[in-house]
Amino acid sequence: QSVLTQPPSASGTPGQRVTISCSGGSSNIGSTTVNWYQQVPATAPHLVIFKDNQRPSGVPGRFSASKSGTSASLAISGLQSEDEATYYCATWDVSLNEVVFGGGTKLTVL
Amino acid sequence: QVQLVESGGDVVQPGGSLRLSCAASGFSFSNDAMHWVRQAPGKGLEWVAFIWYDGSERHHADSVRGRFTISRDNSKNMVFLHMNSLRAEDTALYYCARDPSGSGWALESWGQGTLVTVPS
Repeated sequence: QSVLTQPPSASGTPGQRVTISCSGGSSNIGSTTVNWYQQVPATAPHLVIFKDNQRPSGVPGRFSASKSGTSASLAISGLQSEDEATYYCATWDVSLNEVVFGGGTKLTVL
Repeated sequence: QVQLVESGGDVVQPGGSLRLSCAASGFSFSNDAMHWVRQAPGKGLEWVAFIWYDGSERHHADSVRGRFTISRDNSKNMVFLHMNSLRAEDTALYYCARDPSGSGWALESWGQGTLVTVPS
């Protein structure tokens, strides 16, 4: 069971906006910044958001994220077929002294 | 460009040992923390260990603490994962990842992984 809780699945049609939630606690999301990763099947994970809401260079502006208290969310607007992947939230847990990942949300573009 | 290449994965019997290596290039390796993250077949990502840029601090996941040890050699731009007392549940694809200074624990670059199989 993951320390961070994500819905196992999400879906949307091309052009739609979808959001993926990530729920944690005071020792992780409530204490440090959240990062988000995209993993297309059979490939390595790829950082899409860091420090709660910052986009690395090369990540489309369609990706955005926010955090409030002990929860965070990733939003993808103008959904495209290439966005079909599994998305993971992650952060440092100050009590466990570990990086903790969410269980992942598989996004399907219908 | 940034490149991380893992090696050393193999099939090893329960109780056995293995050393994974990760060769880094394309960035100032000695300035950045490094991590190992694993992914069991069909499962999600699980963080394994991290080591500070100069090796002065390291942390391991509870699931591997006392059995696995992360280390690095800044003169060779390499990071290692020494794995002992391997179990079937350690079977996974092991990724090394770069954590640039000041990134807020963001794993900015990842290798392609090396596969460790421990038969049950």
